[in-house]
Amino acid sequence: AQTVTQSQPEMSVQEAETVTLSCTYDTSESDYYLFWYKQPPSRQMILVIRQEAYKQQNATENRFSVNFQKAAKSFSLKISDSQLGDAAMYFCAYRSSPWAGGGADGLTFGKGTHLIIQP
Amino acid sequence: DTGVSQNPRHKITKRGQNVTFRCDPISEHNRLYWYRQTLGQGPEFLTYFQNEAQLEKSRLLSDRFSAERPKGSFSTLEIQRTEQGDSAMYLCASSSGTSGGIYNEQFFGPGTRLTVL
Repeated sequence: AQTVTQSQPEMSVQEAETVTLSCTYDTSESDYYLFWYKQPPSRQMILVIRQEAYKQQNATENRFSVNFQKAAKSFSLKISDSQLGDAAMYFCAYRSSPWAGGGADGLTFGKGTHLIIQP
Repeated sequence: DTGVSQNPRHKITKRGQNVTFRCDPISEHNRLYWYRQTLGQGPEFLTYFQNEAQLEKSRLLSDRFSAERPKGSFSTLEIQRTEQGDSAMYLCASSSGTSGGIYNEQFFGPGTRLTVL
């Protein structure tokens, strides 16, 4: 079974600064997807960014980018120019390849990192 | 259709009672997922449907948990004989896509918070 580990329960950053959230995972699969989801207080979870394991290029979405190190099984999220609206729980998640079958479609989440933005 | 909806948003029940939650996915989505999120943890995958077929149910926490999606549209999650340990947020998500196809994003609902007294 796959596992996802987020070792930072809480991170704090000054508004407009850059912050990096860490995520490591364990899998024996070679084909999979990785995601960062954001869960604002009392609001629903939304996808921030995703990475396909077969792609060497790191994904970017505006101020959000990842550092995907497949051999090290590491997948960190960098948020540049932090804004007050970025304050939320951030979850790293893993999904098996669609061809893995069974419950492969379900996401495996880490415990999350609570991101605080200091004005 | 503005997104995945879940009802009720909050449910308080007494230990031993049965509860049922409903999820309405985004209308064109054929896949529907249920997760449980306990305090301080990430969501835990429970089960999922493609149309009306339940393709994975081994992750359901016990035989007290069951889910249905009878017409391939909305889904219900039932917990029988609730226990205090069932207190959690129950999340529903939906996505488009076919089995073996490329990934499609899972869109989450706001969740149903269950409190078992």
